[in-house]
Amino acid sequence: GQNIDQPTEMTATEGAIVQINCTYQTSGFNGLFWYQQHAGEAPTFLSYNVLDGLEEKGRFSSFLSRSKGYSYLLLKELQMKDSASYLCAVRDPTDNYGQNFVFGPGTRLSVLP
Amino acid sequence: KAGVTQTPRYLIKTRGQQVTLSCSPISGHRSVSWYQQTPGQGLQFLFEYFSETQRNKGNFPGRFSGRQFSNSRSEMNVSTLELGDSALYLCASSLEHGQGGKNIQYFGAGTRLSVL
Repeated sequence: GQNIDQPTEMTATEGAIVQINCTYQTSGFNGLFWYQQHAGEAPTFLSYNVLDGLEEKGRFSSFLSRSKGYSYLLLKELQMKDSASYLCAVRDPTDNYGQNFVFGPGTRLSVLP
Repeated sequence: KAGVTQTPRYLIKTRGQQVTLSCSPISGHRSVSWYQQTPGQGLQFLFEYFSETQRNKGNFPGRFSGRQFSNSRSEMNVSTLELGDSALYLCASSLEHGQGGKNIQYFGAGTRLSVL
């Protein structure tokens, strides 16, 4: 089976940097995704990692270590609008079509002024 | 380009009833997946459709079913509703790039179902 862990809640200050960790135990690996979900809204895609290393996209970066089953999402220059839940998801490696995602419980981030 | 559209946004039903939820994917997307989101369990995969065929199914009872039409629109049905079915039901659509492709899933805003 697949198991994904994330911290439940985090708090940070506007303008700061925050790192949200995600660890996974899966029977294989076929890609890891980060999504952002504001309360009452649809999850929106942030990043995709399939190879080890850092992927940078503006204020957001995502890191992957496949050997450690570990990823993190780094948010820089935090803004109030970054208050949301951040979902880590891995693609089920047993799915022949690459469409079955297994999501972690999500990390609720609160950005304080 | 319009996003994923789900209707209705909110629904209130009583135990024992059945419900049908609708999802219109992004134009050109042929893969449609359904998820259930609850505070305790997070996002859980229900099933995935492609070209009117169910290709994947999560670990949910047979009361949960779905279908996809030739225009890629999809419906999900829950029969004999239970209190525990109260949740946000999310639909996601994706282009098809196979097992090794990126296959980003784009989500709709969901249908919030309350079972009383």
